[in-house]
Amino acid sequence: QKEVEQDPGPLSVPEGAIVSLNCTYSNSAFQYFMWYRQYSRKGPELLMYTYSSGNKEDGRFTAQVDKSSKYISLFIRDSQPSDSATYLCAMSVLTGGGNKLTFGTGTQLKVEL
Amino acid sequence: GAGVSQSPSNKVTEKGKDVELRCDPISGHTALYWYRQRLGQGLEFLIYFQGNSAPDKSGLPSDRFSAERTGESVSTLTIQRTQQEDSAVYLCASSFTGGSGYEQYFGPGTRLTVT
Repeated sequence: QKEVEQDPGPLSVPEGAIVSLNCTYSNSAFQYFMWYRQYSRKGPELLMYTYSSGNKEDGRFTAQVDKSSKYISLFIRDSQPSDSATYLCAMSVLTGGGNKLTFGTGTQLKVEL
Repeated sequence: GAGVSQSPSNKVTEKGKDVELRCDPISGHTALYWYRQRLGQGLEFLIYFQGNSAPDKSGLPSDRFSAERTGESVSTLTIQRTQQEDSAVYLCASSFTGGSGYEQYFGPGTRLTVT
């Protein structure tokens, strides 16, 4: 079993829809959670990060962490065609120094006009 | 400011040859990471450097892989006697450490194809 599980999709939604992307994890030591967006043939771009359970909002994006269920989500409101990309969840244990990330496989999202 | 840069952007090599990939981190970032992304898969940690500490090499898949970093600047990842299964995108990331935050910022990657 992988430490981080993520549905690869593809997920296709109409413009303006609310998108829900999810990851589950098995390592209860993970404390630091991130979402990256990756366009085709580009490096991952950090979208959001959080250290604690609960919600964190940034514009159209909301990250949600439920440590008791080992489940994280990213919600995208009013989705746009420019949101079409692969979304990667990532997490790590906080060590006070560098932190190697464990990634999900990524969910491919397509927002259609 | 400038982000993480990597070179070359693409590299095609014959099986058995050695390759060297380069990463320039964001200025001031003390930690530098290498990851590998195979087609259709998530990123796989390879190695990380933090300041003058010994690097964490726990993700290197074999002794054909090695990496160096000069101080808190440039890093090179070397793959010796390349195999076809080494074909992947090799991504470099850098971050602050400690109280300034842990967020990792990625470069565009080097796409390696072993023929």
